[in-house]
Amino acid sequence: NAGVTQTPKFQVLKTGQSMTLQCAQDMNHNSMYWYRQDPGMGLRLIYYSASEGTTDKGEVPNGYNVSRLNKREFSLRLESAAPSQTSVYFCASSISVDGYEQYFGPGTRLTVT
Amino acid sequence: KQEVTQIPAALSVPEGENLVLNCSFTDSAIYNLQWFRQDPGKGLTSLLLIQSSQREQTSGRLNASLDKSSGRSTLYIAASQPGDSATYLCAGRGSGAGSYQLTFGKGTKLSVIP
Repeated sequence: NAGVTQTPKFQVLKTGQSMTLQCAQDMNHNSMYWYRQDPGMGLRLIYYSASEGTTDKGEVPNGYNVSRLNKREFSLRLESAAPSQTSVYFCASSISVDGYEQYFGPGTRLTVT
Repeated sequence: KQEVTQIPAALSVPEGENLVLNCSFTDSAIYNLQWFRQDPGKGLTSLLLIQSSQREQTSGRLNASLDKSSGRSTLYIAASQPGDSATYLCAGRGSGAGSYQLTFGKGTKLSVIP
């Protein structure tokens, strides 16, 4: 099992460009999450998907959109990147949102210039 | 809103020493707490998940405790090894509305000196 995979590993964007971060899990989990990690801020939840076909905002959703493509895949889109979105992005999954252990992917390091 | 604090931010110990990492949280109605390890430039690896109904959870040389009344969790690492060097994060999950959300501490960076 690969667990949670993310692509790309690194990305540099110019301000105003758009991109989509991809995430896939092979653990048959129902719930998936997107976090960002910034120095001195800890990890913060951007969006989550409790189950296929549903998505909800987390703590810092502004500037992002998500799509739960199917049970395995959950993508994060930046429509018009800003320097404030320079961060490391992590995808995670769990059996459900009801207090189960979350498993994380290796992350995408994004720089917006 | 749950707040999670980890002190100290960094810790250095000689190899072989037993050590304790601390995690404090503000909301005693915590549902569970998860400990993670993060190596530089890598993702988070789940170490232990401890439910609010449990007082302790063990995996190998690791032992996590949870005391809701004092708002504290500890991660005990026995016989530390250089390979234990990493940043350790704790994350609490509340009960009720918003229980989907993990609130993370900023981590303790552990260095085990050979």
